[in-house]
Amino acid sequence: GDSVTQMEGPVTLSEEAFLTINCTYTATGYPSLFWYVQYPGEGLQLLLKATKADDKGSNKGFEATYRKETTSFHLEKGSVQVSDSAVYFCALTTNYGQNFVFGPGTRLSVLP
Amino acid sequence: DAGITQSPRHKVTETGTPVTLRCHQTENHRYMYWYRQDPGHGLRLIHYSYGVKDTDKGEVSDGYSVSRSKTEDFLLTLESATSSQTSVYFCAISESSEKLFFGSGTQLSVL
Repeated sequence: GDSVTQMEGPVTLSEEAFLTINCTYTATGYPSLFWYVQYPGEGLQLLLKATKADDKGSNKGFEATYRKETTSFHLEKGSVQVSDSAVYFCALTTNYGQNFVFGPGTRLSVLP
Repeated sequence: DAGITQSPRHKVTETGTPVTLRCHQTENHRYMYWYRQDPGHGLRLIHYSYGVKDTDKGEVSDGYSVSRSKTEDFLLTLESATSSQTSVYFCAISESSEKLFFGSGTQLSVL
């Protein structure tokens, strides 16, 4: 079945450091790929998405590129802030939104 | 923010008792989902619905049932709660836009 693998962390960085969170996937067909973010005490929110190979999703300084050849969708940000501290989930869907598969989540802590 | 309300927000119950969690949406979205979130497992799908009275099982459906009698409401029932069902439960909704909107979650503790 479809699956998502991501580094579980926790990841601890200093403010203004460069961030990479790796995500790889296994899927039949042509999935759409997502990054969701969960701030403490809240539900998940969509951060960015990409629907086909070589697409780049971006939002709030974060970006990720859909790499079909390596089945990857790594999340990057050039300069993290304390407010970016959260749990980040990589996810995919192959059913036009009918069913989603999530990775285990990566906890990010950014220190001032 | 999408209009999704989960109730209750917190619940403590005893092993063997029935528990019902409610998800209410005001967005008229077709799809509704129940997930549980546990450390080390991320989000796992319990059940989902693709329309009124149309539901299907997810990967961790054992011990849970659902009902959707109206577009706006999706109920999750634990027929006889067990300690392994202690978790945070999230409801989510989507349309064909491939974007999930999540509720704020229900923290359930089964003692």
